Amino acid sequence: AQKITQTQPGMFVQEKEAVTLDCTYDTSDQSYGLFWYKQPSSGEMIFLIYQGSYDEQNATEGRYSLNFQKARKSANLVISASQLGDSAMYFCAMREGPGNQFYFGTGTSLTVIP
Amino acid sequence: DARVTQTPRHKVTEMGQEVTMRCQPILGHNTVFWYRQTMMQGLELLAYFRNRAPLDDSGMPKDRFSAEMPDATLATLKIQPSEPRDSAVYFCASGRTENSNQPQHFGDGTRLSIL
Repeated sequence: AQKITQTQPGMFVQEKEAVTLDCTYDTSDQSYGLFWYKQPSSGEMIFLIYQGSYDEQNATEGRYSLNFQKARKSANLVISASQLGDSAMYFCAMREGPGNQFYFGTGTSLTVIP
Repeated sequence: DARVTQTPRHKVTEMGQEVTMRCQPILGHNTVFWYRQTMMQGLELLAYFRNRAPLDDSGMPKDRFSAEMPDATLATLKIQPSEPRDSAVYFCASGRTENSNQPQHFGDGTRLSIL
């Protein structure tokens, strides 16, 4: 089974609108971390936001928030007030405990339309 | 800000040649990951080191690829002999193990083309 599933290969959003990128994960561990990365067309991988499995509050970082639903094993990324510079690939990732490897999803390509 | 440094940024070479990619992890980071990214396969984990010891290299073709960490400031990924199907972007990432909330930090990648 896939550890991380991103079911949306491509998404479009109007500038200034909010968009949700889906991510579901599979683990039997109690302690794990969930991460989102952004990869613009220039190619670098940029860390955006983190959610711990024991965190009760949804993580937020500026315009990014993580909608964490533990029972459903989902960790969706919400981008508010989309900007043209948000157009990029977005990867969801999970780590099962400190020091362990990361599992990445296949990514979602987001295009922001002016 | 501290960064993961990868060299070279670009490499074009003929098939059969040896290719060596280098990575300098962020000072204080004790985990290093090598990934390969292609359009077809996406992001694949090739090798993973913790405290310089290889923990997982199951994603790496053993006959031609090798990964080492000769010291804490240098990780290398070698391909010998290289083949056109090795053309991809190779990323190095580093992180710390103390807390599970530590993200990996990626280098800018080495864009490899094998002719």
